[in-house]
Amino acid sequence: ETGVTQTPRHLVMGMTNKKSLKCEQHLGHNAMYWYKQSAKKPLELMFVYNFKEQTENNSVPSRFSPECPNSSHLFLHLHTLQPEDSALYLCASSHSQGAGGRDTQYFGPGTRLTVL
Amino acid sequence: QQQVKQSPQSLIVQKGGISIINCAYENTAFDYFPWYQQFPGKGPALLIAIRPDVSEKKEGRFTISFNKSAKQFSLHIMDSQPGDSATYFCAASYSNYQLIWGAGTKLIIKP
Repeated sequence: ETGVTQTPRHLVMGMTNKKSLKCEQHLGHNAMYWYKQSAKKPLELMFVYNFKEQTENNSVPSRFSPECPNSSHLFLHLHTLQPEDSALYLCASSHSQGAGGRDTQYFGPGTRLTVL
Repeated sequence: QQQVKQSPQSLIVQKGGISIINCAYENTAFDYFPWYQQFPGKGPALLIAIRPDVSEKKEGRFTISFNKSAKQFSLHIMDSQPGDSATYFCAASYSNYQLIWGAGTKLIIKP
């Protein structure tokens, strides 16, 4: 498979559940990102990893916990979420973070999360 | 100061017409302005980007117009086709700062 893949594509969870989202990139990139996409809102950058090190955490609640075991894989661990956390969660990768937004980001198809 | 304001929120254009989406920003430090295109069920993908040293950039039917003094930039889609129906996001960044995104425009091209 090529590009950026995300699993699962859809996830329904209760507020007391613990689940994880997985992202894998096959592009040889060194930076990986988690975004939250809600309808009619700008994409919200959540976390950035560059060479496996977390470089940005945009004041994301602790109920979201990222993990980047290597440059190709990124996880988002979820626990005790709220209904307002329902959204499309997008993973992206880029060559590196050094060029900021000027480094083209390649997105996965996203995980549609519904919190009941 | 870090916002990028995008309009309209949604747009319906007849096939063959011109689609125009506008974005405005405040931070004069921004020096890179990309547009991303997102089809249903897919993630956004870079469509075209411009730097402020040029006023226009064209790639096929897609053109970015940039007005530095007005702090505005826009995407024009000429001869719009049903396959162009998607959500379009403008964004901006500077130095090694991350992208600041607009809220998106849902474009529908009517056959």
